[in-house]
Amino acid sequence: QVQLQESGPGLVKPSETLSLTCSVSGYSISSGYQWGWIRQPPGKGLEWIGIIYHSGSTYYNPSLKSRVTISIDTSKNQFSLKLSSVTAADTAVYYCARDGSGRPMAYWGQGALVTVSS
Amino acid sequence: DIQMTQSPSTLSASVGDRVTITCRASQNINSWLAWYQQKPGKAPNLLIYKASSLESGVPSRFSGSGSGTEFTLTISSLQPDDFATYYCQQYNSYPWTFGQGTKVEIK
Repeated sequence: QVQLQESGPGLVKPSETLSLTCSVSGYSISSGYQWGWIRQPPGKGLEWIGIIYHSGSTYYNPSLKSRVTISIDTSKNQFSLKLSSVTAADTAVYYCARDGSGRPMAYWGQGALVTVSS
Repeated sequence: DIQMTQSPSTLSASVGDRVTITCRASQNINSWLAWYQQKPGKAPNLLIYKASSLESGVPSRFSGSGSGTEFTLTISSLQPDDFATYYCQQYNSYPWTFGQGTKVEIK
């Protein structure tokens, strides 16, 4: 059973870059599927950030595209999110997720709260 | 971007009630629609994919229907464990987008 776990700083200063890593166990990230990031501001709904295929192709939410980079590290079986020039509006729980044979986001990490504050 | 609109935003119901949540897409998404359940402090959990396919392990009281632009999630007999927030999501085209959520509360 595939398992995902987010990690990274819980506090980021305004204008800096948010960096999170999703560690994957139970499946080799280079073998296939889509690996994505979703976020949820406190008390609000879900926002899709973007996705990376095992091949390295990426698709980003246009609302964040100029600030987002998703990358994959097959040697560590991880994929990462970088969000630059953050503001308080980027404070959210960030989830990583994977699809499952036509089933979008079938597997989720537990989420990581990132607060943007000086 | 495809806009997803759920109704109602909040629903008050009792155990045993039949509950229906509607999700409308701003354009045709065929059957590329998923439903998720989220409980406080937890990650969303996939319930339904491709509009009507039940995810493995999900109780059969959950069902989905629809195609094109109008979709429905039905809980045939609401159980105590079902009080949660439900989201629809289209994956017909990028960017994938979610509805704003429907909170199912105890009446």
